[in-house]
Amino acid sequence: NAGVTQTPKFQVLKTGQSMTLQCAQDMNHNSMYWYRQDPGMGLRLIYYSASEGTTDKGEVPNGYNVSRLNKREFSLRLESAAPSQTSVYFCASSEIAGGGEGTDTQYFGPGTRLTVL
Amino acid sequence: AQSVTQLGSHVSVSEGALVLLRCNYSSSVPPYLFWYVQYPNQGLQLLLKYTSAATLVNGINGFEAEFKKSETSFHLTKPSAHMSDAAEYFCAGSILTGGGNKLTFGTGTQLKVEL
Repeated sequence: NAGVTQTPKFQVLKTGQSMTLQCAQDMNHNSMYWYRQDPGMGLRLIYYSASEGTTDKGEVPNGYNVSRLNKREFSLRLESAAPSQTSVYFCASSEIAGGGEGTDTQYFGPGTRLTVL
Repeated sequence: AQSVTQLGSHVSVSEGALVLLRCNYSSSVPPYLFWYVQYPNQGLQLLLKYTSAATLVNGINGFEAEFKKSETSFHLTKPSAHMSDAAEYFCAGSILTGGGNKLTFGTGTQLKVEL
């Protein structure tokens, strides 16, 4: 199993450009998440999908949109990139759908390093 | 609401010395707590998690953590540090919501291991 995969690994954008970050998992997990990691701030939840067909906002959703394409895939879109969105983006997945056990482990992908000039 | 605080953004120890990374939580409901490790240029990997079955939790690579409700703490320890332990460590907590298991992360502690 590949686990959680993310593409691309690196990306440089100019202000105002758009792009989509792709995430896929092969563990048959129900819940998927998008985080951003910034120095000194830990990881912050952008959006999550508690099950196929549902999405919801996390702590820092402004400037982003998501699509849960199917059970395996969860994409993150930046419609008009801004320098403040320069960050490392992580996708994660966990087995249990919304309302499940709180100790459900989240499994993380390797991340996408995004720079917005 | 759930919040997690990690004391010390950088910790430096000598190889063979005790590792102690601190984490405190605040929660209005019993939390579920996790420690993750991030090696350079990689994603996060679970070290251990508190499931309420036991207050002392053993994890991978010789790490353990003890849940202390009276101190609202979940500190991570390892008796003897190895060079390979150099990484960033994150404490995280979750509470169940109707929308899933949402994690709140601490700001991370960078562990440096010196010869």
